[in-house]
Amino acid sequence: DGGITQSPKYLFRKEGQNVTLSCEQNLNHDAMYWYRQDPGQGLRLIYYSQIVNDFQKGDIAEGYSVSREKKESFPLTVTSAQKNPTAFYLCASSMGPSSNQPQHFGDGTRLSIL
Amino acid sequence: AQSVTQLGSHVSVSEGALVLLRCNYSSSVPPYLFWYVQYPNQGLQLLLKYTTGATLVKGINGFEAEFKKSETSFHLTKPSAHMSDAAEYFCAVTSNQAGTALIFGKGTTLSVSS
Repeated sequence: DGGITQSPKYLFRKEGQNVTLSCEQNLNHDAMYWYRQDPGQGLRLIYYSQIVNDFQKGDIAEGYSVSREKKESFPLTVTSAQKNPTAFYLCASSMGPSSNQPQHFGDGTRLSIL
Repeated sequence: AQSVTQLGSHVSVSEGALVLLRCNYSSSVPPYLFWYVQYPNQGLQLLLKYTTGATLVKGINGFEAEFKKSETSFHLTKPSAHMSDAAEYFCAVTSNQAGTALIFGKGTTLSVSS
């Protein structure tokens, strides 16, 4: 079955540590997205990529970095500069940059501070 | 700039009762509108979308929504609630400009009692 796989499901970060969240899709989608979800805040866009080797900052990109070296992969690194990283992180993809295409979501990674 | 307001962070209904979840949007260009559902510790699943054409949109699990341009609304309804409908629901908006990311509302938690 085609879909989006996020790993790990749970992740713990120590002070000063960078951690990387994995997102892989086998839907052959061009566009991929990372969102952060906090209770009562909805989803906020961190980064998105419409094509390989290109990505744009979203509303809350500070303290995060991404890469898009392959079409199927869009890893997110939470750096030590992100002072409040505890949240639920969701990766999504869509067929193309056209905005009438629905986004398909992975099952998320829950990040906590040790 | 686009925005979404979901009225009521928490809605409670009895099993068999009408479900009404409210969503109002702000957009300076014709919007594309989406409703997603999220079960605990999972990603988001598309319920339905409005892009163009018929303003009454039918989705999965018996849900439907009506796009009302004059009221800038896209409320989600279901005639008869089921226990399995208990979840968090998100309304989202984007525009017909290519590459525009989704803007999400803060979500409404639906509780269903027997």
